[in-house]
Amino acid sequence: EAGVAQSPRYKIIEKRQSVAFWCNPISGHATLYWYQQILGQGPKLLIQFQNNGVVDDSQLPKDRFSAERLKGVDSTLKIQPAKLEDSAVYLCASSYGGFNYGYTFGSGTRLTVV
Amino acid sequence: LAKTTQPISMDSYEGQEVNITCSHNNIATNDYITWYQQFPSQGPRFIIQGYKTKVTNEVASLFIPADRKSSTLSLPRVSLSDTAVYYCLVREGKLIFGQGTELSVKP
Repeated sequence: EAGVAQSPRYKIIEKRQSVAFWCNPISGHATLYWYQQILGQGPKLLIQFQNNGVVDDSQLPKDRFSAERLKGVDSTLKIQPAKLEDSAVYLCASSYGGFNYGYTFGSGTRLTVV
Repeated sequence: LAKTTQPISMDSYEGQEVNITCSHNNIATNDYITWYQQFPSQGPRFIIQGYKTKVTNEVASLFIPADRKSSTLSLPRVSLSDTAVYYCLVREGKLIFGQGTELSVKP
């Protein structure tokens, strides 16, 4: 079974620039999550999709972050404009259903904002 | 907002059994407890999941008391490659990772 694919693996941008991350979940997984992990901290949920609908985006900074999951498969997370504090690893995970099913995480995209 | 609580760090030696306890006082009735392992530069990896009593798989055991307000991950005979951060995950209204326990296994 192929894992969760994320790209790019690393990204360095200047503050106020925009950036986008891409995630391809495991085939058949209806639920997709984006997490932000700042160095030394646990992952923080940004947004959860069920198919192509948003289930929870309460911790997504909507003034600068946006995410979409067209056709209920791939997803993109965008930051515009980026701030220094957005430097983190952005992890994508997917699962068959809700929380009571295990997640499979991708390797993440490490973003550095300078 | 209720959170999970774990020890920040633990040290062990190769061959020992390691037990990591997580507190989750406000866990919902229908929710499961899941543990993940994370190595540097990798995403978290599922270890084990349970609802009550004891669950065992090829890598770990999970002990959950009747009140389900805590859980203990048990790693038998750890090796150097078990050095990682271990997170417990429960659904407490939102999907919240604990702060994680950094396990260091020494030779």
